[in-house]
Amino acid sequence: DAGVIQSPRHEVTEMGQEVTLRCKPISGHDYLFWYRQTMMRGLELLIYFNNNVPIDDSGMPEDRFSAKMPNASFSTLKIQPSEPRDSAVYFCASSFSAGVEQYFGPGTRLTVT
Amino acid sequence: AQRVTQPEKLLSVFKGAPVELKCNYSYSGSPELFWYVQYSRQRLQLLLRHISRESIKGFTADLNKGETSFHLKKPFAQEEDSAMYYCALLNTDKLIFGTGTRLQVFP
Repeated sequence: DAGVIQSPRHEVTEMGQEVTLRCKPISGHDYLFWYRQTMMRGLELLIYFNNNVPIDDSGMPEDRFSAKMPNASFSTLKIQPSEPRDSAVYFCASSFSAGVEQYFGPGTRLTVT
Repeated sequence: AQRVTQPEKLLSVFKGAPVELKCNYSYSGSPELFWYVQYSRQRLQLLLRHISRESIKGFTADLNKGETSFHLKKPFAQEEDSAMYYCALLNTDKLIFGTGTRLQVFP
């Protein structure tokens, strides 16, 4: 099992461009989480899904951020338009159920210039 | 409000020295706490959880409800323990992470 898969691993884009991050959770996991990691704020939860349904998006910074999970094996996090302050590492994680171990992907390092 | 505080951004020790990574939490209820670790060039992974009461890689963590703490301890640090450590609190279905502590173990 390859674990949680994220793409791309690195993304460099210019301010104002649309960015789409992708995640494939572990098969059979019902929960999917999107996190953002920065030096200043550590690891912040942006949004999470249960059975493909968004449950809590209170961590999404603003309307420029959106996330979807069209099926159990795929999720996207989109930033439109991107800004330099969005530069961070974005992690996707999945878990079999609530409150158990979360399995993290390798992350996408986003740089917005 | 539910919150996790890790007061140290960086902790540096020499090999063989004891290590204590501090974690304090704020939670109205019975807390469930975790330590996650991220080694260089590896994924973030679970190190231990308090309900398991186990020792992983020589690390232990005891929940102290009176002090609202869940400090991570190891009696003798090894160079391979160098990593980023995150304390996390379970709040309904989601984890609230602290800002993390980078542990550097020098030879």
